[in-house]
Formats: sequence, structure tokens, C-alpha cells
Amino acid sequence: GENVEQHPSTLSVQEGDSAVIKCTYSDSASNYFPWYKQELGKGPQLIIDIRSNVGEKKDQRIAVTLNKTAKHFSLHITETQPEDSAVYFCAASISNYQLIWGAGTKLIIKP
Amino acid sequence: GAGVSQTPSNKVTEKGKYVELRCDPISGHTALYWYRQSLGQGPEFLIYFQGTGAADDSGLPNDRFFAVRPEGSVSTLKIQRTERGDSAVYLCASSLLPRTSGGEQFFGPGTRLTVL
Repeated sequence: GENVEQHPSTLSVQEGDSAVIKCTYSDSASNYFPWYKQELGKGPQLIIDIRSNVGEKKDQRIAVTLNKTAKHFSLHITETQPEDSAVYFCAASISNYQLIWGAGTKLIIKP
Repeated sequence: GAGVSQTPSNKVTEKGKYVELRCDPISGHTALYWYRQSLGQGPEFLIYFQGTGAADDSGLPNDRFFAVRPEGSVSTLKIQRTERGDSAVYLCASSLLPRTSGGEQFFGPGTRLTVL
């Protein structure tokens, strides 16, 4: 069946450095790739998304890249801050409304 | 304005009991989704409502799970004869439009269900 693999499961970076989280997906029909941030005790919050007709999208310190040929997409966070600490999930669409999610990356920002 | 709310925030029950989990979506949002999230995993799709009708319930694991949205707003997820494997956080999300129309999903804080 369809799946999304996400790496790494835990990422620890020094405050101010960059963080990169990578995902691969299996369904070649996927055309929507959102990234969510989940803080402890809260539901996931959309931080950025990309559609298959775009290769890169940026929003301030956050950027996402998509390689449809390789079925890879990545989240880049620059100038990391303590409030970036959370669990990040990638997801890929498998229908008009269904998403399949990665297992998550726990991002730790060290002061 | 208020976001998506879910009640209760925590529910502890015994194996075999019946539970109801409630979701209040953002006012005016026509699409509503239920997900289940196990520890250390991403959310798993359960069911999608467009208005009052369940447009897709293919993610419900078995017939012990059922969800309703009678007036197109509040939704209730119902689990009969609970099993220990049902323990998880149940998330609800709503969107103004279906995702294909650009509708971002807004999540509630979830209900943590523990089956003893």
C-alpha cells in the first residue's frame, strides 16, 4: 500500500543552525504535500505545503522542496529558534481529501 | 475566533465499554475529518464528512467504530466494545472547503483515549 517514510526520527540542532527533514512517498499520483508542526498536547498545525506543479516554496525561515521524479520532498528551517522545537510531520495526498502521514521527526533546538 | 474543540480531553474506560468523543468544528466549516494517532506515529485517517454525510468512512478499522454529524456541524465518534488496542489520541479537523479547493485542515487538541 501507499506509504510515506520520514527521516530522521529525532533531530537535534544548535539554536541558529539549519534543520532539514526528508520524506519519500510511494504513490506517484500524490499531488499535495503539506508539513505540520505538532506541539505537546496540541493538534497538528499546517506550517507550509507544496503542490506537484511547484518545485520549491518558501515562507520566511521555512522552505519546502519537491522532487517528483525521485518522489522526495524536504522541509528546511533556517536560523532555528527555541520555539521551533516540536514534532514535525510530512504528508502526501492519496485522494482528493486523504493524506498519508510520515511517522514524525522530533526536532530539538539546543540553546 | 474559536478553533476546533474536542471533548473530553482525556477519557479512561474499561475494556468492553462504550465511548463517545465529540468534535466542535470551526463555525461554517463544511468538511470534517476524524483521525487516530498512536504514540510516535502520524495521524491515521478514519472518516471524512462533507456536510452531514460521511463521504468516506474507509479508514474506520471495524464495525465497532461509527461517526455521525447530524446537523452538519458537531460530530461524534462512537466506539463500541472498546479494546485495549483502541487506546490512542483521536484528532478531529475541519476545513472551510474540501482540500482540493484549497481548504486547510485545522486540528483540535485531540481526545486521549485509554482503554484499561
